[in-house]
Amino acid sequence: KNEVEQSPQNLTAQEGEFITINCSYSVGISALHWLQQHPGGGIVSLFMLSSGKKKHGRLIATINIQEKHSSLHITASHPRDSAVYICAVRPARNDYKLSFGAGTTVTVRA
Amino acid sequence: DSGVTQTPKHLITATGQRVTLRCSPRSGDLSVYWYQQSLDQGLQFLIQYYNGEERAKGNILERFSAQQFPDLHSELNLSSLELGDSALYFCASSGDLSYNEQFFGPGTRLTVL
Repeated sequence: KNEVEQSPQNLTAQEGEFITINCSYSVGISALHWLQQHPGGGIVSLFMLSSGKKKHGRLIATINIQEKHSSLHITASHPRDSAVYICAVRPARNDYKLSFGAGTTVTVRA
Repeated sequence: DSGVTQTPKHLITATGQRVTLRCSPRSGDLSVYWYQQSLDQGLQFLIQYYNGEERAKGNILERFSAQQFPDLHSELNLSSLELGDSALYFCASSGDLSYNEQFFGPGTRLTVL
């Protein structure tokens, strides 16, 4: 079983809709990352979280350490948000390694 | 543009061959990470270097090796290539030893025929 599970695997939304992507992990962690991978392949680091909530523009990331769960929210979604969103955790037992989720493919239709 | 450069962008080679992928980190970043992204395995951490020294190893095969040079650029060497090595190889850099924020390069797409 993967240390990091994401849901849903795929998501289609209409422009303007609120989108939520979930990430659950099974190990103690020192940090969690959300990454965005565009259709061209490039990867951008969106957030790094160790507690609470972070906001950047229309993106909000939250984490609940006790429940081993994080969510990435996209408000007022736009077709340019179409990408694969990947959750990655830094296990506390091995701080140098990142373990990745399989990714959530988001498609936003105009 | 993340400031991390990778060359080449695409590489097509045959089984059994050896290739070298190159990464230049952002100016001033001391840590370099290598990742492999294949269709069936997703993203996997391969190896990390910090200021020229290996710091962490992930799921890196013995046929693969890496190094970081005094000018901080890094190379990933893949030898005795197999069909299953076809993947996107990403390099990322950060300013310090930990993963506080990583900046990813555009990747090298390796196709082994």
